[in-house]
Amino acid sequence: AQKITQTQPGMFVQEKEAVTLDCTYDTSDQSYGLFWYKQPSSGEMIFLIYQGSYDEQNATEGRYSLNFQKARKSANLVISASQLGDSAMYFCAMREALTSGGSYIPTFGRGTSLIVHP
Amino acid sequence: EAGVAQSPRYKIIEKRQSVAFWCNPISGHATLYWYQQILGQGPKLLIQFQNNGVVDDSQLPKDRFSAERLKGVDSTLKIQPAKLEDSAVYLCASSDSLSTKKTDTQYFGPGTRLTVL
Repeated sequence: AQKITQTQPGMFVQEKEAVTLDCTYDTSDQSYGLFWYKQPSSGEMIFLIYQGSYDEQNATEGRYSLNFQKARKSANLVISASQLGDSAMYFCAMREALTSGGSYIPTFGRGTSLIVHP
Repeated sequence: EAGVAQSPRYKIIEKRQSVAFWCNPISGHATLYWYQQILGQGPKLLIQFQNNGVVDDSQLPKDRFSAERLKGVDSTLKIQPAKLEDSAVYLCASSDSLSTKKTDTQYFGPGTRLTVL
């Protein structure tokens, strides 16, 4: 079973509008971390935002916010006031503990391609 | 602060040949990761090092892939012999925790694009 599901292969948004990128996850752990990364066409993965499973507040970083709904196991990324430079692939990722040793290993989703139109 | 360095950026080989990729993490970062990213997919973790020890290599195809981080700093990933399905981008990342935690933020290098003909 997929641990991270991103159901939107592609999204289009008008410049200056907000957009939500969906992410659902599957884990039996109580303690885990959720991340969003941006991958422009240059290929480098850029960290955007982090949410811990015990964090009560939704994470925010500038124009990025994470809509965390723990009971639904969803961690959607909201980008406000989209810019042309936001056009890229966006990946949701989760770190959960290895059952054996307590180290946390990361798993990524398949990504969503965002295109921002002028 | 210098980022994660990887070389080469591009490599084209024929199947059954060998290839090696090099990664130098951010100075002081204890944890190093190698990922394989096939076109149209998310990165798949191949191996995770903490200093020079292996934390997880459960998804590393050990019959053909090997990786080492002998001095706990830079790392080499090798494929021998390569198959057509190994064509992908190989990403290296590092994080600064001494023990991997759920909060660890990874910093990625530019990747090596491998094409196997």
